[in-house]
Amino acid sequence: EVQLVESGGDLVQPGGSLRLSCAASGSTLRKYWMSWVRQAPGKGLEWVANIKHDGSEKSYVDSVKGRFIISRDNAKDSVFLDMNSLRVEDTALYYCATHNDWRLDDWGQGTLVTVSS
Amino acid sequence: QSALTQPASVSGSPGQSITISCTGTSSDVGGHNHVSWYQQHPGKAPKILIYDVSYRPSGVSNRFSGSKSGNTASLTISGLQAEDEADYYCYSYTTRSTPWVFGGGTELTVL
Repeated sequence: EVQLVESGGDLVQPGGSLRLSCAASGSTLRKYWMSWVRQAPGKGLEWVANIKHDGSEKSYVDSVKGRFIISRDNAKDSVFLDMNSLRVEDTALYYCATHNDWRLDDWGQGTLVTVSS
Repeated sequence: QSALTQPASVSGSPGQSITISCTGTSSDVGGHNHVSWYQQHPGKAPKILIYDVSYRPSGVSNRFSGSKSGNTASLTISGLQAEDEADYYCYSYTTRSTPWVFGGGTELTVL
């Protein structure tokens, strides 16, 4: 089991940028695909992005393509989500999760991003 | 609007069984067996219950089971307990431009 801790969430104005981080302990992340999943207040889960073990493949939900970038640093057992041109509708609790064999096994507790003027 | 359709809410009494459906298309649920289910209690992170339609991870109670027929996957909870009261989400790979999608979620109330 991997313990995941997200950080970097904050209040930001529309059009602003933010970098989320996800750090692992208990096991290395390098053998896992990793995903970011978000949940707007009072709403359901939405898959946002994922990245292959070595960073060579990345996928995104249509609504963030061209604005968000997922990356990783396996030497630091960390995954990142760079969020640009933020919109009010990006307001959510952002979770990172290990994406293992077509499923999301281990989840962090989330970091809150609020986009508001 | 979610790509996968779940009932907004279901309810049952302790000891009963309930089933939550997750309906998609041949581009997602119906096209492969990579459907998983997650339980989320209020204020908590989701927890995986079922993967690849019907497999349970180690440590998950055998009261939880999954199945699929055509474009619809289902989660059945037998012997309902108060602690089962939570939100449940299905999750599937899809061949559309967004490769992974969740269902809209189902709120389970144990009466």
